[in-house]
Amino acid sequence: GESVGLHLPTLSVQEGDNSIINCAYSNSASDYFIWYKQESGKGPQFIIDIRSNMDKRQGQRVTVLLNKTVKHLSLQIAATQPGDSAVYFCAENWGTGRRALTFGSGTRLQVQP
Amino acid sequence: GAVVSQHPSRVICKSGTSVKIECRSLDFQATTMFWYRQFPKQSLMLMATSNEGSKATYEQGVEKDKFLINHASLTLSTLTVTSAHPEDSSFYICSARDPGGDSSTDTQYFGPGTRLTVL
Repeated sequence: GESVGLHLPTLSVQEGDNSIINCAYSNSASDYFIWYKQESGKGPQFIIDIRSNMDKRQGQRVTVLLNKTVKHLSLQIAATQPGDSAVYFCAENWGTGRRALTFGSGTRLQVQP
Repeated sequence: GAVVSQHPSRVICKSGTSVKIECRSLDFQATTMFWYRQFPKQSLMLMATSNEGSKATYEQGVEKDKFLINHASLTLSTLTVTSAHPEDSSFYICSARDPGGDSSTDTQYFGPGTRLTVL
């Protein structure tokens, strides 16, 4: 299930199921998007990125979909494993020269064994 | 992927002291590094952009005299929290931009973070 409130939204899935984590971005000028995984007490770990001239990109067990029309980004994780439990952030980048990332609010993924 | 290190990983200090945090790119040269701050259960907030050989660019609301940034080389940026107070307690994370072969989109790699606790 999913809960929204003062804490991070949480997505709970069973081990082996597929997970879909969603992200809405606000800047229509954004041209580069990244998904990061952050485990407790650690820095964000790069998962996959996509440029605005693409609508889908696949990695190992992960797929990122980009819908520029509605400014929506999703991360699909296939055959979710307990080690996938973490907080996932989407980040967007725009502008020439500055290259600063803006992070989304994050989603906590809990994988039930 | 590229590796970014941070030191120290944890620091506890008394109120009023200054703390220096180092961020290093280990296997690439980073002309630009970024410093973020993260409170519990919240997202990362950009504090400043550190450019090698020039002054850092601070985000609105971030005191440049409070958070001193020095990017003296292509592999090292430091963040010094001056006269730290309990409200400065947070998780500080740096990232480095790996220019790669495409200047239009650059992947950022993050350090492991530094947990600062000010008593």
